Amino acid sequence: GESVGLHLPTLSVQEGDNSIINCAYSNSASDYFIWYKQESGKGPQFIIDIRSNMDKRQGQRVTVLLNKTVKHLSLQIAATQPGDSAVYFCLRGGDTDKLIFGTGTRLQVFP
Amino acid sequence: ETGVTQSPTHLIKTRGQQVTLRCSSQSGHNTVSWYQQALGQGPQFIFQYYREEENGRGNFPPRFSGLQFPNYSSELNVNALELDDSALYLCASSLGPGGANEKLFFGSGTQLSVL
Repeated sequence: GESVGLHLPTLSVQEGDNSIINCAYSNSASDYFIWYKQESGKGPQFIIDIRSNMDKRQGQRVTVLLNKTVKHLSLQIAATQPGDSAVYFCLRGGDTDKLIFGTGTRLQVFP
Repeated sequence: ETGVTQSPTHLIKTRGQQVTLRCSSQSGHNTVSWYQQALGQGPQFIFQYYREEENGRGNFPPRFSGLQFPNYSSELNVNALELDDSALYLCASSLGPGGANEKLFFGSGTQLSVL
């Protein structure tokens, strides 16, 4: 799998606000996208995934949107909390390739 | 907590030395992947082991080698350490070797410093 491109290296939001982390991909060879979260001092943690037969998928306080027309996906975090502070990676999966991480987006939550 | 444990948590070595890092996978997982994460970067895939055999390798030289044991735990060995090997080494286990379709469960890593 190829890594997808995150739009911003850093995103700062106020506690309680919604966060939106954006990602773009260059081709549609793979139909599977994954988000991981890495908190300071820890390994990455799976958050949510989505396949190309879906436009939207929801988890607990998180929603991933996939726009295949413009080859864009986003991770939305509702009511952002201090515990959401982390680096977020969007990745594209595939049948045989191993997961390829990019540099990620650092989410900073301030009071 | 993922159930993946790595040891040691921190390690300091000097250039030219050899190092062995260890990983215990989550119960029921037969696949282990190793990643190297330099400061400020995303994890870089080193290699994967499935049922004690190497099952894919990233762009790392042969001095990076690994083992997987019958209980699916794993070791990462690095010979002739270089300063650029200083990084966080992450181990991840998964239910199978399904490539990027398999959900990975990461340990907290071993922070290696090469002086």
